[in-house]
Amino acid sequence: GDSVTQMEGPVTLSEEACLTINCTYTATGYPSLFWYVQYPGEGLQLLLKATKADDKGSNKGFEATYRKETTSFHLEKGSVQVSDSAVYFCALSSGRDDKIIFGKGTRLHILP
Amino acid sequence: NAGVMQNPRHLVRRRGQEARLRCSPVKGHSHVYWYRQLPEEGLKFMVYLQKENIIDESGMPKERFSAEFPKEGPSILRIQQVVRGDSAAYFCASSFGPIGELFFGEGSRLTVL
Repeated sequence: GDSVTQMEGPVTLSEEACLTINCTYTATGYPSLFWYVQYPGEGLQLLLKATKADDKGSNKGFEATYRKETTSFHLEKGSVQVSDSAVYFCALSSGRDDKIIFGKGTRLHILP
Repeated sequence: NAGVMQNPRHLVRRRGQEARLRCSPVKGHSHVYWYRQLPEEGLKFMVYLQKENIIDESGMPKERFSAEFPKEGPSILRIQQVVRGDSAAYFCASSFGPIGELFFGEGSRLTVL
């Protein structure tokens, strides 16, 4: 079945460091890909998405590019802030069964 | 705020009791999803409902768990005869259509003593 694999956390970085959180997927067909963010004590919020190959999603300085050839959707940010500390979930929707499959999440700690 | 509303936010039950979790989707959304998040684990899909219909319940345990989304009123996730392993955060999400952006509630945290 469809699945999402993302790097294990926690990831700890200093403020202004460069961030990459890896995400790869397995899916039949042509899924849409998402990154969701969960701040402490809150529900998930959509951070960015891409619906077809080579699309780049971006929001709040974060970017991710839909790479069909490597089945990847890595999350990147050039300069992180303390306020970016959260859990980040990579997800896909295959369209076949109308549900979104999430990865296990990567906890990010940013130190001032 | 017309976001997804879940209640209760925190629920404590003893083994064998029933837990009932409610979810009011974003106004105008007719698609509701329930996910379970265990400590240090990701979100596990449980069930996808549209008004009065269960579309996909492949992630829901066959026993003790049930869900509904009636024509009027909130979606309900019901867990009968709770066990300690049911302790988790249960998140509800809604969307306007299938495969649309999911809007999540803040979750209901169930603790089974």
